[in-house]
Amino acid sequence: DQQVKQNSPSLSVQEGRISILNCDYTNSMFDYFLWYKKYPAEGPTFLISISSIKDKNEDGRFTVFLNKSAKHLSLHIVPSQPGDSAVYFCAATDPGTYKYIFGTGTRLKVLA
Amino acid sequence: NAGVTQTPKFRVLKTGQSMTLLCAQDMNHEYMYWYRQDPGMGLRLIHYSVGEGTTAKGEVPDGYNVSRLKKQNFLLGLESAAPSQTSVYFCASSYPRGEQFFGPGTRLTVL
Repeated sequence: DQQVKQNSPSLSVQEGRISILNCDYTNSMFDYFLWYKKYPAEGPTFLISISSIKDKNEDGRFTVFLNKSAKHLSLHIVPSQPGDSAVYFCAATDPGTYKYIFGTGTRLKVLA
Repeated sequence: NAGVTQTPKFRVLKTGQSMTLLCAQDMNHEYMYWYRQDPGMGLRLIHYSVGEGTTAKGEVPDGYNVSRLKKQNFLLGLESAAPSQTSVYFCASSYPRGEQFFGPGTRLTVL
């Protein structure tokens, strides 16, 4: 059973516009959430994270929002750039174990 | 600072052959992980380790074994490779509840 879900396998956005990537989770015990970016033939790289005690975290063009009641988080990229084209994974940590649970990823394409 | 390195980068095996994938990190991280990535499946945890000499099973451990004899190394073994183990394998390391640092991956094909 998928505990972390990214229901949009792909997303296309015009350069300069906002990209919004979504992630849902089922386990209310998850307390730390991360976003990773992955280019082809490379390992994922960390982008931004948020603790469950916050509802927003910003880092430059990237903002992550957490809605605990809806068990939903989203990543906003503003403005989107062609170099942002990649696969984005959200992940959640299970405090009862040392595991990170990943979603299936969303492929973002930013069109010039 | 090399970060996380994986050896080899590519490998082709025949069904029934064995091999070991090596992961090394130079960040003094306690935690290390092995994942596999398959199309449409995201990253699935195979095994992980929370310290030297310790290992634990993840979501998809069957057919794999691991060892963490030294803090900086985490080995993933396939004793008898099967075509279902064709995948891209990623190793990662982290501090407790910190961001994970990933290696570049090993692309394995089992014929």
